[in-house]
Amino acid sequence: AQTVTQSQPEMSVQEAETVTLSCTYDTSENNYYLFWYKQPPSRQMILVIRQEAYKQQNATENRFSVNFQKAAKSFSLKISDSQLGDTAMYFCALSGGATNKLIFGTGTLLAVQP
Amino acid sequence: DSGVTQTPKHLITATGQRVTLRCSPRSGDLSVYWYQQSLDQGLQFLIQYYNGEERAKGNILERFSAQQFPDLHSELNLSSLELGDSALYFCASSVDPLTGGSNEQFFGPGTRLTVL
Repeated sequence: AQTVTQSQPEMSVQEAETVTLSCTYDTSENNYYLFWYKQPPSRQMILVIRQEAYKQQNATENRFSVNFQKAAKSFSLKISDSQLGDTAMYFCALSGGATNKLIFGTGTLLAVQP
Repeated sequence: DSGVTQTPKHLITATGQRVTLRCSPRSGDLSVYWYQQSLDQGLQFLIQYYNGEERAKGNILERFSAQQFPDLHSELNLSSLELGDSALYFCASSVDPLTGGSNEQFFGPGTRLTVL
């Protein structure tokens, strides 16, 4: 079975500071993908960043980057220069195997303080 | 805007009733996924369709069913509704990764179902 664990239910960061959200996962698949999704108060699910497991290089998207530790099955999200608009629930997700279904963690509620 | 549309946005109904949620995937996407987001269960996968055929099933109740039509839109049917079925139901679509797609799923805005 595939599982995703987010151990930080809530986090807070000051505007312009850097914050790291943690995620660990478990899968027996060799080929899989990891994602971070953002869910703002509008409840829309927005893809923040994607990492292919076969790629060693950590993915980056502007102020968002990941630290992918394959052996440790760890996939953390770093948000640099935090902005008020980053306030949202962040979900770590895993997909792999014959289907493309997403397995989600329980989420981390991030509050960016002015 | 992800390109995935869902109707209706909100639905309020009574226990024991039946409702249908509708989803139109992004142009060109053959795969449609349904997810349920509730306070007690979190975000969980319900079912996947690919080009009209069921491809995978998750924690979908027997009272729930889905289908994907030739024009690729999908419907999720929920029957004999219970209070616990109140949730946000998302549809997502993707290009099939098994044929070279990127594995990225694009989510619709969701349908909020309230069962009274």
